[in-house]
Amino acid sequence: DAGITQSPRHKVTETGTPVTLRCHQTENHRYMYWYRQDPGHGLRLIHYSYGVKDTDKGEVSDGYSVSRSKTEDFLLTLESATSSQTSVYFCAISREGPSTDTQYFGPGTRLTVL
Amino acid sequence: GESVGLHLPTLSVQEGDNSIINCAYSNSASDYFIWYKQESGKGPQFIIDIRSNMDKRQGQRVTVLLNKTVKHLSLQIAATQPGDSAVYFCAENIDRSGGSNYKLTFGKGTLLTVNP
Repeated sequence: DAGITQSPRHKVTETGTPVTLRCHQTENHRYMYWYRQDPGHGLRLIHYSYGVKDTDKGEVSDGYSVSRSKTEDFLLTLESATSSQTSVYFCAISREGPSTDTQYFGPGTRLTVL
Repeated sequence: GESVGLHLPTLSVQEGDNSIINCAYSNSASDYFIWYKQESGKGPQFIIDIRSNMDKRQGQRVTVLLNKTVKHLSLQIAATQPGDSAVYFCAENIDRSGGSNYKLTFGKGTLLTVNP
């Protein structure tokens, strides 16, 4: 998985609780991404980062926030989890932007919101 | 609009046969394409990529063909093996002037099943 770890790998939580997912990379890549994967939708970008403290929204960013205080870590936070956020979350990294470099994915986090 | 899709949601082949997985895209501005393989319970794994200035690119047992005239992308797997069973999906990047080129658009995937 290209030196990418995600934690936790599985989580069950209740509606309304905050949840933070962590992505850690050992590749020193500049770009990091958070995606969610749902049946019938494919991978959809939530947020991405193009450097330390530099982040921007993706296509499904509502209800999510991110932070990147170090090159190696990219955190995804659900401030108040909802059942619609039940999904599998993938982190990805790339050395350069997606028009010049491929993205490599982590193993995923399966999140269930009851 | 932007769309990346697959012609066949499932594909079943015999071990040893060649497999062809197709992908259609609608945006002529797409300039970079990637094929990923995803096994059950795992993250997507990079297989091969191709840029719009190329028509064909080969890897180990895999070939990607790009037909810009009809906006079609295909992945060919030679001598398919049981370990090739997975979901395969394509992704495209659209060259956006102005610097906001972060986004890959992913197809929904084709399930390849290899029968022994």
